[in-house]
Amino acid sequence: GENVEQHPSTLSVQEGDSAVIKCTYSDSASNYFPWYKQELGKGPQLIIDIRSNVGEKKDQRIAVTLNKTAKHFSLHITETQPEDSAVYFCAAFTVMDSSYKLIFGSGTRLLVRP
Amino acid sequence: NAGVMQNPRHLVRRRGQEARLRCSPMKGHSHVYWYRQLPEEGLKFMVYLQKENIIDESGMPKERFSAEFPKEGPSILRIQQVVRGDSAAYFCASSPPARSSYNEQFFGPGTRLTVL
Repeated sequence: GENVEQHPSTLSVQEGDSAVIKCTYSDSASNYFPWYKQELGKGPQLIIDIRSNVGEKKDQRIAVTLNKTAKHFSLHITETQPEDSAVYFCAAFTVMDSSYKLIFGSGTRLLVRP
Repeated sequence: NAGVMQNPRHLVRRRGQEARLRCSPMKGHSHVYWYRQLPEEGLKFMVYLQKENIIDESGMPKERFSAEFPKEGPSILRIQQVVRGDSAAYFCASSPPARSSYNEQFFGPGTRLTVL
């Protein structure tokens, strides 16, 4: 089945710097990759996603890149702000036995130092 | 347009009791997913349901756990005879009918279950 690995597990950056989180997946048939942000005590929030027919997608300060050949995708946050501090999860969409499901990475705790 | 609703937000049970967690999907969504999150860990898939139908329960323990999504009313995740290891945050997500190419899931705020 699909397996998603996420690195790093923790990331500390200075306010204004960029942050990059990387994920790899194992199922070459996966074709949809969302990213979620989870703040303390809250549910995960979808912040950006990418489908396999594009290599990059950008939304203001966040961007996601996808390399299907290497089976990895990354989240880039530029000009980080303290409110970006949260846990970020990547996920890969997989179809298995008529079931659609998201397989999540283990999460990255991002701390933006003011 | 209300998002995914879950209740209760916090639930305390003693060992051996039953826990019932409820999830109301977003308006227009007919698919519900349940996930479990242990402290400092990621989200683990438990079960995927459509109205009156369990599509995939491969992530749910075979004993003590059950889920349903009736024609009317919320989806229910039921844990019988809870043990301390069941303490976790349980998240529900909903989506429109899934397509083969993508599946946008929107999460509720979660129910934090504590077993004493």
